[in-house]
Amino acid sequence: GAVVSQHPSWVICKSGTSVKIECRSLDFQATTMFWYRQFPKQSLMLMATSNEGSKATYEQGVEKDKFLINHASLTLSTLTVTSAHPEDSSFYICSALRTGANTEAFFGQGTRLTVV
Amino acid sequence: DAKTTQPPSMDCAEGRAANLPCNHSTISGNEYVYWYRQIHSQGPQYIIHGLKNNETNEMASLIITEDRKSSTLILPHATLRDTAVYYCIVIIQGAQKLVFGQGTRLTINP
Repeated sequence: GAVVSQHPSWVICKSGTSVKIECRSLDFQATTMFWYRQFPKQSLMLMATSNEGSKATYEQGVEKDKFLINHASLTLSTLTVTSAHPEDSSFYICSALRTGANTEAFFGQGTRLTVV
Repeated sequence: DAKTTQPPSMDCAEGRAANLPCNHSTISGNEYVYWYRQIHSQGPQYIIHGLKNNETNEMASLIITEDRKSSTLILPHATLRDTAVYYCIVIIQGAQKLVFGQGTRLTINP
């Protein structure tokens, strides 16, 4: 099946620094990618929808200046957590949408961010 | 997108069939039913999807009721590795949003 690679798989950073997470679709082009956040024992919460060549669409309550999304190509979307704080510590997951006869969403492995 | 309702947790004995229900009573005619599962600290994994016909693949079977208001995911011979959270989602083909419900935490017991 299709593969989505997310990097890094885990990262520890200091408060006030910024962290960039990459999401790549390895064997298909994805016009649309999604970014999720997940707290322990909870479901995935959609943060934003990333569209290649245009601005991301953020869900209500998600700060666009805090979580910068760039979808510069059909195979790469990045999420930058700016000026990270301990409350930003979470599991972040990306998904790439493969459209065609059957639309399918493929997910990255996730990134565990710990802000200290 | 239509919302889904799933039981929060289920248990199943190893080797038995695991039947996971999902209600999607507000599903519209062009919305598909997708099932994903998430093993701890990993990204969700696609299992199966369908529109109105029952579907089967190497992982599972999907039974959709005639009125399409509910469906059941069947893992025919559950193993310990099937312990995961299972999510039922309904989406329109070409949808620009993929929203997860709370899912069912399935525990396979030896």
